[in-house]
Formats: sequence, structure tokens, C-alpha cells
Amino acid sequence: GAGVSQSPRYKVTKRGQDVALRCDPISGHVSLYWYRQALGQGPEFLTYFNYEAQQDKSGLPNDRFSAERPEGSISTLTIQRTEQRDSAMYRCASSPRPGTSGGAGEQFFGPGTRLTVL
Amino acid sequence: DAKTTQPNSMESNEEEPVHLPCNHSTISGTDYIHWYRQLPSQGPEYVIHGLTSNVNNRMASLAIAEDRKSSTLILHRATLRDAAVYYCILRDTMDSNYQLIWGAGTKLIIKP
Repeated sequence: GAGVSQSPRYKVTKRGQDVALRCDPISGHVSLYWYRQALGQGPEFLTYFNYEAQQDKSGLPNDRFSAERPEGSISTLTIQRTEQRDSAMYRCASSPRPGTSGGAGEQFFGPGTRLTVL
Repeated sequence: DAKTTQPNSMESNEEEPVHLPCNHSTISGTDYIHWYRQLPSQGPEYVIHGLTSNVNNRMASLAIAEDRKSSTLILHRATLRDAAVYYCILRDTMDSNYQLIWGAGTKLIIKP
């Protein structure tokens, strides 16, 4: 079956512009996670959803970052007034179980969106 | 959050077993041990997880020390396709600690 997809795969934008990154999780997956990954580092948690509810946004760096998942499926991560330090790989993951279910819960990752802010 | 310690890199020969260590001396009784790997230019991929007992699946085996303060991911017969960064992560079973807290992982180099 189809895995997690993200679009666009690459985004180059100028400083000050807004960008919207899309994540299409595996069909039926309950939880959806956003991560940011710098080169040579592991992913850094940003936020996550159970269904359409944003459960935790404590990892979002500042108020220029926001995310939504209005129908409990596709999610959009929006960065307003982009800055050069926002350049990174943004990864989305989904899981069939709620994030608060405890225990294991394999996360399936998408290919990521490489954001470059000039 | 409990943290893990892994070697920065390891080398192994193709078709030989690989043992990737992970130390987690501050692990709590409710922490699961997860392993993910990330192949070059790809997203992370789940490998295996366990709580107390050793675990086997088609990809690897996970050996967990009796005191749970360390674990070892075992690739029984490494291939060139196993070259990746391997992450050992603790995830709490309790309450709302759903996050995967990632370290820098171990870069596994497979020599032909």
C-alpha cells in the first residue's frame, strides 16, 4: 500500500515568505507527527496530532510555525515569514495507534521536504 | 527523558554479523527500547522494539540486558543495503510521553 507522502519534496523560498508543507499519512493512521532534521542529526520533534486534535505543539520553535490536520488525515505545517535558520529537512510520520496509547507504536516516515530559505 | 548513548560509527564486513550497542543507564521500568534506521537520503525506518525480553523479527534481533541498562541490535548477516544510521530510542509507555527523542545514532559502514 501507499506509504506516507510529503509535498513538495523540495522547496526554495526567499526570506520573509510563507511556506506550507503537506503530509499525506497512511490511510487510517490515527496519529501524525512532524519532525525537523538537520544534517547529521536525528529528527527533532515539532508537534503531533491524534486524529484532528493537536495534542502537543511544544516542539514548535516559535509562533511562526503552526500545523493543522482539520479532517484527521492530511496535515499542513506552515512557516510564516521564513528565516534562513528554518532551512532543514521537514519530516512527517504517521502511526496506526494514538500517540497517547502508550507502549510501542511504530512510526512510518515520509520522504521529507527539503526547505531552503535564501 | 531517559537518554541513550551509542558509538558514533561502526564498521563491519559484508555477510558478517553486526552488533550495535546502546547504553541507557537511566531507563525507567516503563520505557520501551526502539530501534530505527535511516538509509542515506531516506526517512527513518522502524527496525525493532522491546521492553524486557529479547526480540526477533525479519530484520534484526534485539538483545536486552537483564538490568535493561543496555541493549544490542543484532544484524545477523549484514549486506551493503544495511549501511545506515541506526538510532536507539527510549519511549515511555506511560501517560502522554509519546515522543521519540532521537540522538545522533550510530553510522554503520559495511565493507564489501
